[in-house]
Amino acid sequence: AQSVTQLDSHVSVSEGTPVLLRCNYSSSYSPSLFWYVQHPNKGLQLLLKYTSAATLVKGINGFEAEFKKSETSFHLTKPSAHMSDAAEYFCVVSTTSGTYKYIFGTGTRLKVLA
Amino acid sequence: NAGVTQTPKFRILKIGQSMTLQCTQDMNHNYMYWYRQDPGMGLKLIYYSVGAGITDKGEVPNGYNVSRSTTEDFPLRLELAAPSQTSVYFCASRPGLGSSYEQYFGPGTRLTVT
Repeated sequence: AQSVTQLDSHVSVSEGTPVLLRCNYSSSYSPSLFWYVQHPNKGLQLLLKYTSAATLVKGINGFEAEFKKSETSFHLTKPSAHMSDAAEYFCVVSTTSGTYKYIFGTGTRLKVLA
Repeated sequence: NAGVTQTPKFRILKIGQSMTLQCTQDMNHNYMYWYRQDPGMGLKLIYYSVGAGITDKGEVPNGYNVSRSTTEDFPLRLELAAPSQTSVYFCASRPGLGSSYEQYFGPGTRLTVT
């Protein structure tokens, strides 16, 4: 069975400093992995996805993530935080059964300090 | 192309009342999903559908019902509302076949049961 663990419920960074949001997954198969962002009182927006092509995935707004099979990790990074990055971030793994359901992490709230 | 739309945006229900949350997508997606999001938690799957006329239960289906008579619409029915159903509800859709597809989310419905 698949599962996903977001290792930090809250992360605070100063504007202009790097962002690291950590996600570990468990899967019996080669997984598809996603990062979504949710701004306050908004729906979820896809940042990036890994689907067994390149292990370094670039997304929108300068975010990227690296799939590391040996570490079962898919951490999200950004070189320089912006105030507009303050939001909730969800790591998601897609199940590989025929029903194509998704398992969501519990989320990481990113706070960006001026 | 409006994507996934949900109505209403907000609703307050009294205990025991019923209501239907509407969800419509205009992308001709086969798969549709209903999630609930409680504070500090990830999204929990309520029901999903793989096509018109086909629905199945997710993790937390109790107290809810769905139908899928068309590809576009996937309404969620709450019968006998309870305070435990206070939550934010998200509808999502995705194309069929292949675990690499991401979901497209609606803006959510914030429901309070008092």
